[in-house]
Amino acid sequence: DQQVKQNSPSLSVQEGRISILNCDYTNSMFDYFLWYKKYPAEGPTFLISISSIKDKNEDGRFTVFLNKSAKHLSLHIVPSQPGDSAVYFCAAGGGSQGNLIFGKGTKLSVKP
Amino acid sequence: DAGVIQSPRHEVTEMGQEVTLRCKPISGHNSLFWYRQTMMRGLELLIYFNNNVPIDDSGMPEDRFSAKMPNASFSTLKIQPSEPRDSAVYFCASSQGPPYGYTFGSGTRLTVV
Repeated sequence: DQQVKQNSPSLSVQEGRISILNCDYTNSMFDYFLWYKKYPAEGPTFLISISSIKDKNEDGRFTVFLNKSAKHLSLHIVPSQPGDSAVYFCAAGGGSQGNLIFGKGTKLSVKP
Repeated sequence: DAGVIQSPRHEVTEMGQEVTLRCKPISGHNSLFWYRQTMMRGLELLIYFNNNVPIDDSGMPEDRFSAKMPNASFSTLKIQPSEPRDSAVYFCASSQGPPYGYTFGSGTRLTVV
């Protein structure tokens, strides 16, 4: 049973527009969430995180929104750049989990 | 800090052979994780250690897989005997523990022919 779901395997966006990546989770005990970015032939790298006590966290072009009632979080990238093309993983942790649970990833393609 | 170091970067082996993947975590990180990435399952946790002790190995697919962490600066993931379905990218990650995230290595791409 997947506790963290990224239902869109891929997303294509025009350069300069907004990219919105979505993630749903089932365990209400998760108390922190993270987004990782992965380029081909590299390991995932940490991008941004949010605690369950917040509903928004912003870092430059990247903003993560958390809707606890819907058990949903999203990553907004504005404006999108071709260098943002990568696979984005959503992850959740806390509660009884001693480790992060990752979604399957969404491949973002930003076209010039 | 050089980050999490994994070796080898690529490994091609014949079915039935033993394969050993190596990982050096970031100094001071007390948790170490082994993940496998495949198209079907995404990032799949195999096993993790806290303070060199295995905490959860429920993700290890079969008895053919084993992992050790003899000290705080080194871990191995061994597959014996290897099979073609083990072909994947294997990542090691380390962490200071919640709520900190993980730092991943560059991965080992394993191909079993």
